[in-house]
Amino acid sequence: EVQLVESGGGLVQPGGSLRLSCAASGFTFRDYWMTWVRQAPGKGLEWVASIKADGSEKHHVDSVKGRFTISRDNAQNSLYLQLSSLTAEDTAVYYCARAGHTNYWRGIGCWGQGTLVTVSS
Amino acid sequence: EIVLTQSPATLSLSPGERGTLSCRASQSVSSDLAWYQQKPGQAPRLLIYDASNRATGIPARFSGSGSGADFTLTISSLEPEDFAVYYCQQRRNWPWTFGQGTKVEIK
Repeated sequence: EVQLVESGGGLVQPGGSLRLSCAASGFTFRDYWMTWVRQAPGKGLEWVASIKADGSEKHHVDSVKGRFTISRDNAQNSLYLQLSSLTAEDTAVYYCARAGHTNYWRGIGCWGQGTLVTVSS
Repeated sequence: EIVLTQSPATLSLSPGERGTLSCRASQSVSSDLAWYQQKPGQAPRLLIYDASNRATGIPARFSGSGSGADFTLTISSLEPEDFAVYYCQQRRNWPWTFGQGTKVEIK
């Protein structure tokens, strides 16, 4: 069974930092692009960042460039999102998701349950 | 950035009725468009990828159509479990973007 389990969320003060982790199982992690998507309370979905299967290519939404960094450890089947210089606008549920395979695209087909990041003093 | 505009914002329908949801892109995304369903407190679920391909396990009552800049998600006969929020998403260009969502509610 494919599983994605996020951790690392919590309450952080404005200007603070946090590292989100996503543990993957049930599929060959090193063969897939991985993605972070967030959802502010009561709002829609916002793509945050994606990373290629081998980690050689990364993309971030403009609003987080220079503050957030996506990374992965294929040996540990883990995805990460380093968050820094946090503001209240970053308060959201952060979802880890499996995107396309190296050889084919089938949509963002698997999602974790999400981890809540709250930025507040 | 490609902007996706979904309409209507809310669709009020009764079980058994047909639902038609629209997603319009600010420029062509070819067929690089997906649809997701989200229920309260849950993660999104992939319904359709590449504009018209149903994801694994998705019932046949869900269908997607369109290409270029205009796309449609059709639910042929609404079941009680289909009342939810639906999002379109493009992967044609970075940054990937989502539409603002259409809420399908019980009339």
